[in-house]
Amino acid sequence: DTGVSQNPRHKITKRGQNVTFRCDPISEHNRLYWYRQTLGQGPEFLTYFQNEAQLEKSRLLSDRFSAERPKGSFSTLEIQRTEQGDSAMYLCASSQSEQGSNEQFFGPGTRLTVL
Amino acid sequence: AQKVTQAQTEISVVEKEDVTLDCVYETRDTTYYLFWYKQPPSGELVFLIRRNSFDEQNEISGRYSWNFQKSTSSFNFTITASQVVDSAVYFCALTETGANNLFFGTGTRLTVIP
Repeated sequence: DTGVSQNPRHKITKRGQNVTFRCDPISEHNRLYWYRQTLGQGPEFLTYFQNEAQLEKSRLLSDRFSAERPKGSFSTLEIQRTEQGDSAMYLCASSQSEQGSNEQFFGPGTRLTVL
Repeated sequence: AQKVTQAQTEISVVEKEDVTLDCVYETRDTTYYLFWYKQPPSGELVFLIRRNSFDEQNEISGRYSWNFQKSTSSFNFTITASQVVDSAVYFCALTETGANNLFFGTGTRLTVIP
């Protein structure tokens, strides 16, 4: 399967702990996106990479959040000092070419529960 | 500012009925792109269609069809002869020229009853 993969699929953590999620995009895609989805809402944009460069960050991405894409392939999203409000589904997507208008292909998501 | 409104929160239909999911958008851009995604219970968003603002031609793909009307800023999605496997949450999304992210509506949960 050459789709977008994300690990872990589920993560339960205690408030104050750090968590890290991984996303492996479709191999030939140079753009990678992170979104957050809470219950009953559509996905909300967090950040995006073009190759290894992080080119845009949403205001939703607080200082406790950091994302990397070190070699322009997989990406990690880390949340430090988690809060209950961080509980959500974290979605990764990738797309090809230089155009933001191209369709984005999504992974299955990582569901985070902060106790 | 951009906005996508999916006023129908939940819809239930009996199998084989036709159903239309509404999407109304707002944008100041003259060039923009509209999308529909399906999110089944497994959670993974599945791309269905992309439309640019210059192409108002309606599109049909099997049981799916899309009606894009710039005059009413709408991009509605119709499923003909619905099936149980169509049960999912459907999202309409918008991206403007130069933007790097999709802006999603709140989704419509479709339940097809056998």
